[in-house]
Amino acid sequence: EAGVAQSPRYKIIEKRQSVAFWCNPISGHATLYWYQQILGQGPKLLIQFQNNGVVDDSQLPKDRFSAERLKGVDSTLKIQPAKLEDSAVYLCASSAHADTQYFGPGTRLTVL
Amino acid sequence: DAKTTQPPSMDCAEGRAANLPCNHSTISGNEYVYWYRQIHSQGPQYIIHGLKNNETNEMASLIITEDRKSSTLILPHATLRDTAVYYCIVRPSNTGNQFYFGTGTSLTVIP
Repeated sequence: EAGVAQSPRYKIIEKRQSVAFWCNPISGHATLYWYQQILGQGPKLLIQFQNNGVVDDSQLPKDRFSAERLKGVDSTLKIQPAKLEDSAVYLCASSAHADTQYFGPGTRLTVL
Repeated sequence: DAKTTQPPSMDCAEGRAANLPCNHSTISGNEYVYWYRQIHSQGPQYIIHGLKNNETNEMASLIITEDRKSSTLILPHATLRDTAVYYCIVRPSNTGNQFYFGTGTSLTVIP
């Protein structure tokens, strides 16, 4: 069974630029999550989708971050414009039901 | 917010059992205890979870105290590849399966 796929694996941009990350969850998993992990800290949930609807986006900085999951499968997370403090690893996870989450390898973003 | 307390770091000799403690004194009766680990530059990897009973799988054993206020993850024969950050997570049962990660325990397996 293929795991959660993410791309790109690494991205370097300058502040005020925009960037997008892509996630393909495990086949059949209805729930998809985006996390932000700052160096030295545990992952922090940004947004949770159930199929193509948002369950929780309370921790998403909506002035600059957006995410969508239009067909209930793949998802994209966008940052526009990026700030220095957005430098982090962005992790995508999926789960079949309200249980175990499986994580992708993450995208490491560096904002200069 | 994370409702667990873990030591920031631990060492373990290769081939010995690694016992990683976690305190979750405010856990509710229907909340599960999950363990994940994160090897450097990888995403978190699921290890095991439990509610009340002890659990064992091919990776580890989870021992939950009778009052459920603490638990211990046991890696029976630690290898160098087990060097990672280990996260103990209490999953609320009424908030859509959200995980709240703390800073975990950095386990170093020593040759």
